[in-house]
Amino acid sequence: EAGVAQSPRYKIIEKRQSVAFWCNPISGHATLYWYQQILGQGPKLLIQFQNNGVVDDSQLPKDRFSAERLKGVDSTLKIQPAKLEDSAVYLCASSFRGREAGELFFGEGSRLTVL
Amino acid sequence: LAKTTQPISMDSYEGQEVNITCSHNNIATNDYITWYQQFPSQGPRFIIQGYKTKVTNEVASLFIPADRKSSTLSLPRVSLSDTAVYYCLVGDAYHNAGNMLTFGGGTRLMVKP
Repeated sequence: EAGVAQSPRYKIIEKRQSVAFWCNPISGHATLYWYQQILGQGPKLLIQFQNNGVVDDSQLPKDRFSAERLKGVDSTLKIQPAKLEDSAVYLCASSFRGREAGELFFGEGSRLTVL
Repeated sequence: LAKTTQPISMDSYEGQEVNITCSHNNIATNDYITWYQQFPSQGPRFIIQGYKTKVTNEVASLFIPADRKSSTLSLPRVSLSDTAVYYCLVGDAYHNAGNMLTFGGGTRLMVKP
């Protein structure tokens, strides 16, 4: 079974530039999550989608971050303009909806460095 | 929401059993307890989930006392490859709600030869 796919794996940009990350969840997983993980910290949830609707985006810095999940499958996370403190790994995860909902399947992440 | 507290770090030696305890005093009736493992440069990986008593799978056991205010992840006979960060999460597994999606700082386990 294919896992959660993310790209790019690495990205280096200068502050005030923009960047986009792509995620393809496991087939059949209705729920998709984006997490931000700063070095040395646990992952922090940015946004949760159920199909193509947003369930929770309370921790998403909406002045610079945006995310969409068109057609309820792939998702894109965008940062514009980037700040130095956005340097982190951006993790995408997906899960079933239902009794197995407690298990999240994570991708390998996209490492962003903002200079 | 049930907050979790776990040790920042632990050291062990190859072949030993490692027990990592997580405290969650305010756990709710519908909350499950889930543990994840994370290696450097990888996303977290699900290890085990439980509601009460004991759950065992091919990699770990999870012990949950009757009051459910804490839980212990047990890793039998650890190897160097078990060196990782371990996260304890508590929340409503069915609805993916509450702290089920909130990762704390985790416990950094270092296994030495």
